Formats: sequence, structure tokens, C-alpha cells
Amino acid sequence: DVKVTQSSRYLVKRTGEKVFLECVQDMDHENMFWYRQDPGLGLRLIYFSYDVKMKEKGDIPEGYSVSREKKERFSLILESASTNQTSMYLCASSLRNTINTEAFFGQGTRLTVV
Amino acid sequence: GQNIDQPTEMTATEGAIVQINCTYQTSGFNGLFWYQQHAGEAPTFLSYNVLDGLEEKGRFSSFLSRSKGYSYLLLKELQMKDSASYLCAVPPPFSGGYNKLIFGAGTRLAVHP
Repeated sequence: DVKVTQSSRYLVKRTGEKVFLECVQDMDHENMFWYRQDPGLGLRLIYFSYDVKMKEKGDIPEGYSVSREKKERFSLILESASTNQTSMYLCASSLRNTINTEAFFGQGTRLTVV
Repeated sequence: GQNIDQPTEMTATEGAIVQINCTYQTSGFNGLFWYQQHAGEAPTFLSYNVLDGLEEKGRFSSFLSRSKGYSYLLLKELQMKDSASYLCAVPPPFSGGYNKLIFGAGTRLAVHP
């Protein structure tokens, strides 16, 4: 059974803290993604990676960075958390080279920055 | 750029049929996805359309008209468990095999007894 696992379901962090969100997939997928989901805005792409150590900015990368040291793991880093980064964060993975391939999502991490 | 529009909310009765519409504008079309997301859960894949027409998959069908920039998801014999958000998404042009997706804001469907 395919699986994308995010390390935390709920997180509360203080403004200015450095925050790490971890995502692991067990499907040997090349592509991995980080989205944030906000009411009325839908899912917006923050960063994605198509291979180990490769990353590209999505639509809203400001205030975030990512790390992909191993194929199965993709980390999202909030360098200095701010209240406007309070959101639901969703990790996803997919096979590369087939545009109609579905993405598999993790359960999400609801982050609150206070 | 891309723009995707869906109704924000819909309600329907158990056993009925509901159609959830999605209109999109994109400079290059590479197909359209529908995902289902129950509250507090991960989105899950429902369908992918790249050619015009209707594709049926059990109680769920998805329709595409590329010339009109329009798709709909048709849910038949509605069940309470179909209460969820339905997300329409398209890959941006020239995204190759990277499978990036641009999502609409989603349609929250409430099914009532």
C-alpha cells in the first residue's frame, strides 16, 4: 500500500522559530512536492523536487526552503516562522516522466505560528 | 498563466445526482485532474482527463471539453460518505514529467439525508 507520511499532524511554533516539516514516501517516487492549503485559496505549490538534491521553486517559495538528501525524504524548512505561515501543509509524491501520473498526498501538518 | 474556477460550496440529497463544474484557463493544456479530500484527510486521486468526452468510473464520471476550457465531475447515487471537497487541478504548461499541479480552491459538497 502506497504511503506518504508526514512527521506531525499538528504543530504549534512561536514567531521567529526555525521549523522543520518532514515527509517520507515509500514508493520510490522521483517527484516530491510541498503545498500549503488555505481556505478559499486551495493548494498552492511551495517547492518541488524531481531528484535527490534537486529542487525548484513553486508559486509561493518566499520564507521557505527545502532539503532532499535522500530520495524518500523531502523536508520543508521555515527559516523564521511568521504568523502568516499558519496553514495546512501537504506533502505529495509522484512518478516522473508520465504527466498523467497521480500524486499521492500525506495526511497534512496543521501548523500554527503564535 | 493559469486560472481555475470552481463553486465554493454545493449541497445535495442522498441518492441524488450532483455535477461539480470546473473552468480553467491555461496557455497550454496537459490534462485535468480531479481529487477528493475528506475533512482532515489527504486528497486522493479520482480521475484524469486529457481528451474530450465523458469517462465513467463507477458512480463517478468526469467530463472534459478542451475547446470550452470546462470540466465537470458527476456523482451519481450520492452517499453520505461523498461529503467532501472536490479539487480540480491542471498541470502548468511545459511542466514535463514533473507533475506539478495548479489547483482550484475546491468545491465543498455536503450530502444530506
